[in-house]
Amino acid sequence: NAGVTQTPKFRVLKTGQSMTLLCAQDMNHEYMYWYRQDPGMGLRLIHYSVGEGTTAKGEVPDGYNVSRLKKQNFLLGLESAAPSQTSVYFCASSRPDNEQFFGPGTRLTVL
Amino acid sequence: AQSVTQLDSHVSVSEGTPVLLRCNYSSSYSPSLFWYVQHPNKGLQLLLKYTSAATLVKGINGFEAEFKKSETSFHLTKPSAHMSDAAEYFCVVSITGGFKTIFGAGTRLFVKA
Repeated sequence: NAGVTQTPKFRVLKTGQSMTLLCAQDMNHEYMYWYRQDPGMGLRLIHYSVGEGTTAKGEVPDGYNVSRLKKQNFLLGLESAAPSQTSVYFCASSRPDNEQFFGPGTRLTVL
Repeated sequence: AQSVTQLDSHVSVSEGTPVLLRCNYSSSYSPSLFWYVQHPNKGLQLLLKYTSAATLVKGINGFEAEFKKSETSFHLTKPSAHMSDAAEYFCVVSITGGFKTIFGAGTRLFVKA
């Protein structure tokens, strides 16, 4: 039982490049989330999903897209990376009305 | 609207002394409240949660928190700090199934030998 895993752990991009972050969970959770963590700002919700095939915008969705084609996976895409997207990205999953389980994070630097 | 305020960005204690991390919240609905801990370069781990049962909630590693509706507070305490408690702590409020989740800015706890 691996819990929530994230791929990759680290990535460096140049401005304008694209990439996809993969999140996988093996707990059969309905809900999945993508957050970014910046110093002094806690975690901010980018997008979330309440089930396979559904996604919704969170607090800071601009510049990101997501897909949830399978219940266990939640992908976060950056189509054209910008330096402002330098951050640590966390994926989480949960059952409805229950605590979230977090992945180990992906550290992204955009030059 | 929901909000979470962690009243201290940094707290420093000596090993063996009590820990108090303060959190105030605002919510139009009956919220669920959580405390998470994040050790350096790690993901977040749940310490404890309040979901409208007992107002005093016990968590892992000797931590506990008391929900005080009249003060809209959910402060985290531990009787005796250990070096391994040094980490960042986040107070979180959540409603409607969890996806309206707001994180506080975090409190970094330093523990001195």
